[in-house]
Amino acid sequence: AQSVTQLGSHVSVSEGALVLLRCNYSSSVPPYLFWYVQYPNQGLQLLLKYTSAATLVKGINGFEAEFKKSETSFHLTKPSAHMSDAAEYFCAVRPMSGSARQLTFGSGTQLTVLP
Amino acid sequence: ETGVTQSPTHLIKTRGQQVTLRCSSQSGHNTVSWYQQALGQGPQFIFQYYREEENGRGNFPPRFSGLQFPNYSSELNVNALELDDSALYLCASSSGPSTGISEKLFFGSGTQLSVL
Repeated sequence: AQSVTQLGSHVSVSEGALVLLRCNYSSSVPPYLFWYVQYPNQGLQLLLKYTSAATLVKGINGFEAEFKKSETSFHLTKPSAHMSDAAEYFCAVRPMSGSARQLTFGSGTQLTVLP
Repeated sequence: ETGVTQSPTHLIKTRGQQVTLRCSSQSGHNTVSWYQQALGQGPQFIFQYYREEENGRGNFPPRFSGLQFPNYSSELNVNALELDDSALYLCASSSGPSTGISEKLFFGSGTQLSVL
């Protein structure tokens, strides 16, 4: 079974600082990988997804993530944090041959941006 | 705004009762999936419906059941509620091939269920 581990349930950064949210996956073959963001009282919004086309994936709101097969990682980064980035972030995985909707999510990382 | 609406937004039930949660998909979407998000956890896949038939299920007991209607709206039913069923329930709609990676999920804001 596939799984994802998000290191750090809470991350705090200062406004303007680098954001780094960690995600490692467990799978016998490279899966599809996703990052979602959840703002308070809202559903999940897709930030970006890895589909094997390119290892460096650019998403919305200035976020990007790099797929590293040797490290089984898919960390999310943003060069300069903004106050509006404060939210919960989820890494998710699904097998390349599975259903498009059967995602397995990590437990999430709450990002706080300090003024 | 994703176009996916869920009702009610909040619900309080007691143990042993039954509950029905509703989801209205985005226009043109023929697939809906349901997720349970317990406090402090990531969403867990419950099941999905494609053109009114269940075509995928996660590790949830049979007391979790669903329906999808011809207009592609959907219901999640939970019987014999337990305290651990307290969670945010999210539905997501989509369209296109069932295995298409280009397909995008649109999530609703969820129904917060509290079981006392």
